[in-house]
Amino acid sequence: DVKVTQSSRYLVKRTGEKVFLECVQDMDHENMFWYRQDPGLGLRLIYFSYDVKMKEKGDIPEGYSVSREKKERFSLILESASTNQTSMYLCASSHPRLAVYEQYFGPGTRLTVT
Amino acid sequence: DQQVKQNSPSLSVQEGRISILNCDYTNSMFDYFLWYKKYPAEGPTFLISISSIKDKNEDGRFTVFLNKSAKHLSLHIVPSQPGDSAVYFCAASAFQGTYKYIFGTGTRLKVLA
Repeated sequence: DVKVTQSSRYLVKRTGEKVFLECVQDMDHENMFWYRQDPGLGLRLIYFSYDVKMKEKGDIPEGYSVSREKKERFSLILESASTNQTSMYLCASSHPRLAVYEQYFGPGTRLTVT
Repeated sequence: DQQVKQNSPSLSVQEGRISILNCDYTNSMFDYFLWYKKYPAEGPTFLISISSIKDKNEDGRFTVFLNKSAKHLSLHIVPSQPGDSAVYFCAASAFQGTYKYIFGTGTRLKVLA
Protein backbone atom coordinates (compact mmCIF):
# COMPACT_ATOMS: atom_id res chain seq x y z
CA ASP A 1 0.00 0.00 0.00
CA VAL A 2 1.18 3.48 -0.83
CA LYS A 3 1.65 5.59 2.18
CA VAL A 4 1.89 9.36 2.17
CA THR A 5 2.49 10.94 5.54
CA GLN A 6 2.40 14.55 6.59
CA SER A 7 4.34 15.82 9.58
CA SER A 8 1.42 17.38 11.42
CA ARG A 9 -2.36 16.97 11.40
CA TYR A 10 -2.98 20.33 13.06
CA LEU A 11 -0.76 23.39 13.25
CA VAL A 12 -1.30 26.86 14.71
CA LYS A 13 1.14 29.60 13.74
CA ARG A 14 1.35 33.35 14.15
CA THR A 15 1.32 35.87 11.34
CA GLY A 16 4.82 36.43 10.00
CA GLU A 17 6.22 33.08 11.13
CA LYS A 18 8.07 30.82 8.73
CA VAL A 19 6.19 27.54 8.45
CA PHE A 20 7.43 24.18 7.18
CA LEU A 21 5.04 21.43 6.13
CA GLU A 22 6.69 18.09 5.48
CA CYS A 23 5.47 15.25 3.31
CA VAL A 24 7.01 11.81 2.92
CA GLN A 25 5.98 8.99 0.57
CA ASP A 26 7.27 5.45 0.73
CA MET A 27 6.56 4.16 -2.79
CA ASP A 28 9.44 5.65 -4.76
CA HIS A 29 7.11 7.96 -6.68
CA GLU A 30 8.70 10.55 -8.93
CA ASN A 31 5.87 13.06 -8.75
CA MET A 32 4.82 14.94 -5.64
CA PHE A 33 2.26 17.71 -5.19
CA TRP A 34 1.07 20.24 -2.66
CA TYR A 35 -2.56 21.40 -2.67
CA ARG A 36 -4.69 23.51 -0.44
CA GLN A 37 -8.35 22.79 0.10
CA ASP A 38 -10.77 25.58 0.93
CA PRO A 39 -14.58 25.48 1.16
CA GLY A 40 -16.17 26.24 -2.17
CA LEU A 41 -12.83 26.27 -3.97
CA GLY A 42 -11.93 22.59 -4.04
CA LEU A 43 -8.31 21.49 -4.27
CA ARG A 44 -5.94 24.02 -5.75
CA LEU A 45 -2.41 23.12 -6.79
CA ILE A 46 0.34 25.15 -5.13
CA TYR A 47 3.50 23.45 -6.43
CA PHE A 48 4.53 20.14 -7.84
CA SER A 49 7.77 18.30 -8.41
CA TYR A 50 8.49 15.58 -10.96
CA ASP A 51 12.01 14.77 -9.80
CA VAL A 52 14.50 15.53 -7.07
CA LYS A 53 15.42 19.23 -7.07
CA MET A 54 12.84 19.89 -9.80
CA LYS A 55 9.77 21.98 -9.10
CA GLU A 56 7.07 23.75 -11.00
CA LYS A 57 4.55 26.33 -9.94
CA GLY A 58 0.95 25.30 -9.74
CA ASP A 59 -2.04 27.59 -9.89
CA ILE A 60 -1.51 29.50 -6.62
CA PRO A 61 2.23 29.60 -5.78
CA GLU A 62 2.31 33.12 -4.33
CA GLY A 63 3.53 33.17 -0.73
CA TYR A 64 4.85 29.60 -0.90
CA SER A 65 8.06 27.83 -1.81
CA VAL A 66 9.02 24.16 -1.90
CA SER A 67 12.03 21.96 -1.45
CA ARG A 68 12.73 18.47 -2.76
CA GLU A 69 16.18 17.33 -1.75
CA LYS A 70 15.28 13.63 -1.60
CA LYS A 71 12.90 11.64 -3.74
CA GLU A 72 10.65 10.63 -0.88
CA ARG A 73 10.33 14.05 0.77
CA PHE A 74 8.60 17.21 -0.45
CA SER A 75 8.43 20.24 1.80
CA LEU A 76 6.12 23.23 1.55
CA ILE A 77 7.39 26.48 3.04
CA LEU A 78 5.36 29.51 3.97
CA GLU A 79 8.00 32.21 4.08
CA SER A 80 5.91 34.61 6.16
CA ALA A 81 2.59 33.14 7.18
CA SER A 82 -0.51 35.25 6.71
CA THR A 83 -4.09 34.74 7.86
CA ASN A 84 -5.24 34.05 4.29
CA GLN A 85 -3.03 30.97 4.31
CA THR A 86 -5.24 29.35 6.93
CA SER A 87 -6.34 26.22 5.12
CA MET A 88 -6.15 22.44 4.81
CA TYR A 89 -2.92 21.45 3.08
CA LEU A 90 -2.76 18.16 1.22
CA CYS A 91 0.30 16.42 -0.14
CA ALA A 92 0.07 13.80 -2.90
CA SER A 93 2.37 11.60 -4.93
CA SER A 94 2.07 9.66 -8.17
CA HIS A 95 4.10 7.41 -10.43
CA PRO A 96 4.40 8.72 -14.00
CA ARG A 97 4.67 5.25 -15.50
CA LEU A 98 1.40 4.02 -14.04
CA ALA A 99 -1.37 4.02 -16.61
CA VAL A 100 -3.91 5.53 -14.30
CA TYR A 101 -1.74 8.41 -13.06
CA GLU A 102 -3.78 8.49 -9.91
CA GLN A 103 -2.49 10.54 -7.07
CA TYR A 104 -2.14 9.19 -3.54
CA PHE A 105 -2.90 11.72 -0.85
CA GLY A 106 -1.72 12.19 2.69
CA PRO A 107 -4.20 12.87 5.52
CA GLY A 108 -3.74 16.62 5.37
CA THR A 109 -2.48 19.34 7.69
CA ARG A 110 -4.98 21.87 8.96
CA LEU A 111 -3.03 25.08 9.37
CA THR A 112 -4.41 28.04 11.31
CA VAL A 113 -2.57 31.36 11.12
CA THR A 114 -3.56 33.83 13.82
CA ASP B 1 -11.50 30.82 -14.27
CA GLN B 2 -12.73 27.45 -13.02
CA GLN B 3 -11.89 24.89 -15.71
CA VAL B 4 -13.57 22.04 -13.83
CA LYS B 5 -16.93 22.74 -12.22
CA GLN B 6 -19.13 20.77 -9.90
CA ASN B 7 -22.23 22.90 -9.75
CA SER B 8 -23.99 20.99 -6.98
CA PRO B 9 -22.29 21.62 -3.63
CA SER B 10 -24.40 18.97 -1.95
CA LEU B 11 -26.69 16.05 -2.67
CA SER B 12 -28.88 13.87 -0.48
CA VAL B 13 -30.02 10.42 -1.57
CA GLN B 14 -31.91 7.60 0.11
CA GLU B 15 -30.01 4.40 0.80
CA GLY B 16 -30.42 1.93 -2.05
CA ARG B 17 -31.21 4.60 -4.65
CA ILE B 18 -28.92 5.95 -7.34
CA SER B 19 -26.56 8.86 -6.66
CA ILE B 20 -25.55 10.94 -9.67
CA LEU B 21 -22.74 13.43 -9.29
CA ASN B 22 -21.99 15.79 -12.15
CA CYS B 23 -18.89 17.55 -13.39
CA ASP B 24 -18.43 19.98 -16.29
CA TYR B 25 -15.19 21.12 -17.84
CA THR B 26 -14.23 23.82 -20.29
CA ASN B 27 -10.85 22.75 -21.67
CA SER B 28 -11.27 20.49 -24.70
CA MET B 29 -7.64 19.34 -24.30
CA PHE B 30 -8.49 17.39 -21.16
CA ASP B 31 -8.10 13.70 -21.94
CA TYR B 32 -8.11 11.94 -18.60
CA PHE B 33 -10.56 12.26 -15.76
CA LEU B 34 -10.62 10.93 -12.22
CA TRP B 35 -13.06 10.85 -9.33
CA TYR B 36 -11.88 11.01 -5.74
CA LYS B 37 -13.76 10.48 -2.51
CA LYS B 38 -12.86 12.37 0.66
CA TYR B 39 -13.98 11.66 4.21
CA PRO B 40 -13.53 14.33 6.90
CA ALA B 41 -10.03 14.46 8.39
CA GLU B 42 -8.66 12.16 5.67
CA GLY B 43 -6.96 12.75 2.35
CA PRO B 44 -8.87 12.08 -0.88
CA THR B 45 -8.79 8.51 -2.17
CA PHE B 46 -8.98 7.50 -5.80
CA LEU B 47 -12.29 6.04 -6.88
CA ILE B 48 -12.49 5.60 -10.64
CA SER B 49 -11.05 7.08 -13.81
CA ILE B 50 -11.90 7.40 -17.49
CA SER B 51 -9.87 8.17 -20.56
CA SER B 52 -11.27 10.37 -23.32
CA ILE B 53 -11.22 7.43 -25.74
CA LYS B 54 -14.03 5.85 -23.70
CA ASP B 55 -17.50 7.04 -22.82
CA LYS B 56 -18.09 4.72 -19.87
CA ASN B 57 -16.08 2.96 -17.21
CA GLU B 58 -17.52 0.72 -14.55
CA ASP B 59 -16.14 -0.59 -11.27
CA GLY B 60 -18.59 -2.40 -9.05
CA ARG B 61 -21.24 0.04 -7.84
CA PHE B 62 -19.46 2.98 -9.47
CA THR B 63 -19.81 4.01 -13.11
CA VAL B 64 -18.38 7.09 -14.75
CA PHE B 65 -19.87 8.43 -17.98
CA LEU B 66 -18.09 10.87 -20.27
CA ASN B 67 -19.83 13.05 -22.85
CA LYS B 68 -17.02 14.78 -24.73
CA SER B 69 -19.26 16.87 -26.96
CA ALA B 70 -20.97 18.32 -23.89
CA LYS B 71 -17.73 18.43 -21.88
CA HIS B 72 -19.56 16.66 -19.10
CA LEU B 73 -18.89 13.65 -16.92
CA SER B 74 -20.97 12.04 -14.26
CA LEU B 75 -20.44 9.49 -11.51
CA HIS B 76 -23.24 7.05 -10.79
CA ILE B 77 -23.34 5.10 -7.55
CA VAL B 78 -25.83 2.23 -7.50
CA PRO B 79 -27.03 1.28 -4.97
CA SER B 80 -26.02 4.09 -2.66
CA GLN B 81 -24.91 3.13 0.84
CA PRO B 82 -24.50 5.23 4.01
CA GLY B 83 -20.73 4.62 3.82
CA ASP B 84 -20.70 6.51 0.52
CA SER B 85 -21.43 9.73 2.39
CA ALA B 86 -18.38 11.88 1.63
CA VAL B 87 -17.20 14.75 -0.54
CA TYR B 88 -16.56 13.74 -4.15
CA PHE B 89 -14.10 15.58 -6.36
CA CYS B 90 -13.71 15.22 -10.09
CA ALA B 91 -10.32 16.00 -11.63
CA ALA B 92 -9.15 16.46 -15.20
CA SER B 93 -5.82 16.47 -16.94
CA ALA B 94 -4.30 17.08 -20.36
CA PHE B 95 -1.16 15.00 -20.50
CA GLN B 96 1.11 17.21 -22.50
CA GLY B 97 4.30 16.63 -20.58
CA THR B 98 2.85 17.62 -17.24
CA TYR B 99 1.33 15.66 -14.41
CA LYS B 100 -1.13 18.27 -13.25
CA TYR B 101 -4.75 17.63 -12.48
CA ILE B 102 -7.35 20.36 -12.16
CA PHE B 103 -9.86 19.57 -9.43
CA GLY B 104 -13.45 20.60 -9.17
CA THR B 105 -14.92 22.23 -6.08
CA GLY B 106 -16.47 19.03 -4.77
CA THR B 107 -19.97 17.71 -4.06
CA ARG B 108 -20.93 16.58 -0.59
CA LEU B 109 -23.02 13.42 -0.83
CA LYS B 110 -25.20 12.36 2.05
CA VAL B 111 -26.81 8.93 1.86
CA LEU B 112 -29.74 8.67 4.21
CA ALA B 113 -30.42 5.35 5.93
